[in-house]
Amino acid sequence: KAGVTQTPRYLIKTRGQQVTLSCSPISGHRSVSWYQQTPGQGLQFLFEYFSETQRNKGNFPGRFSGRQFSNSRSEMNVSTLELGDSALYLCASSLGGADLAGGGDTQYFGPGTRLTVL
Amino acid sequence: GNSVTQMEGPVTLSEEAFLTINCTYTATGYPSLFWYVQYPGEGLQLLLKATKADDKGSNKGFEATYRKETTSFHLEKGSVQVSDSAVYFCALAGFQKLVFGTGTRLLVSP
Repeated sequence: KAGVTQTPRYLIKTRGQQVTLSCSPISGHRSVSWYQQTPGQGLQFLFEYFSETQRNKGNFPGRFSGRQFSNSRSEMNVSTLELGDSALYLCASSLGGADLAGGGDTQYFGPGTRLTVL
Repeated sequence: GNSVTQMEGPVTLSEEAFLTINCTYTATGYPSLFWYVQYPGEGLQLLLKATKADDKGSNKGFEATYRKETTSFHLEKGSVQVSDSAVYFCALAGFQKLVFGTGTRLLVSP
């Protein structure tokens, strides 16, 4: 079974631009989560989608947004890029129908998209 | 809120040495706990998980036991290999999200 795929793998943008990242989950998985990884802040949760609905959101400004399509693929968008948005953006998928905290589900990660903002 | 604390790295070991990476957590209730590993230039790979107190997760020679009394989930391996060099993340599950520790870099020399 194919794993989580993310495109593109690398991206270079300039301040003020916007960017869209894409994530295709493991077949059969209906939940997609996004995380930002930086050397200073570590791994931080952005948001989670299940069946096209956002169920949870982290503490990020409104410039960060996402959506999920009916085939469970997800995109995240960052508008008005800042230098501090340079990071590895990781997508994770899971079945989504059971409680992650209770042990009924597990998140599997993609390889990430490395975004550099100049 | 929920949080995870990991030991500072890097941890430097010789091949075949015993490994322990400490992880403690603060949480409401008893959420599932995870160890993920990240190799250079890659995403996170699930290493093992435990879903309730006293559960032991294990995979590829790595083990971790969910200790409710000490709120800990320490990662251990009896004999590390050079190929185990990576960054290891401890995490707990919140509502449809993971809360991660800061990661511990492991360097294994031949």
